[in-house]
Amino acid sequence: GQNIDQPTEMTATEGAIVQINCTYQTSGFNGLFWYQQHAGEAPTFLSYNVLDGLEEKGRFSSFLSRSKGYSYLLLKELQMKDSASYLCAVLDSNYQLIWGAGTKLIIKP
Amino acid sequence: DTEVTQTPKHLVMGMTNKKSLKCEQHMGHRAMYWYKQKAKKPPELMFVYSYEKLSINESVPSRFSPECPNSSLLNLHLHALQPEDSALYLCASSRGQIAKNIQYFGAGTRLSVL
Repeated sequence: GQNIDQPTEMTATEGAIVQINCTYQTSGFNGLFWYQQHAGEAPTFLSYNVLDGLEEKGRFSSFLSRSKGYSYLLLKELQMKDSASYLCAVLDSNYQLIWGAGTKLIIKP
Repeated sequence: DTEVTQTPKHLVMGMTNKKSLKCEQHMGHRAMYWYKQKAKKPPELMFVYSYEKLSINESVPSRFSPECPNSSLLNLHLHALQPEDSALYLCASSRGQIAKNIQYFGAGTRLSVL
């Protein structure tokens, strides 16, 4: 079967750094996406990785290791507005997105 | 511009009603998607249209009927829904259905079935 695992909930402090991990087992791999979703709103695209390594975009970075079936999203200089759910999704061999259940990130002052 | 527009934002309907959800994008995307999302769950794919043709139907009950009138518009017709169909319905679009398939989402329609 296809499976994507990420922690259910994480808590971090404003101004700190947090790393959200995602492990996956899917039928094929055509890239991994991270989306941010605030409560009651639509998911918004954060990053895409298809090759191993780190992609940096401002305060957010995403890392991929295809051999380990592993990715992480790194958020630096956390702000209160970063409180949201972070969804990991893999594009499988049929080019369908397989979604993780999401990690709820709580930022405390 | 990465905007996908969905209307209405909120919808309350009875189990005997017929209603439609609408989705529009003007990014020239050729793939459009309907997802259903329950609280604290990831989006569940319902339908995919590629070049205005239905390419994926994830065994969705027939009380949900999609329609793609043209490359910019996607509708979801609702009829005889059940209370368990209450959810956030998300529309998304992407350049194509393959490769770097960044899906851009609309704000969703929050549906309540009474």
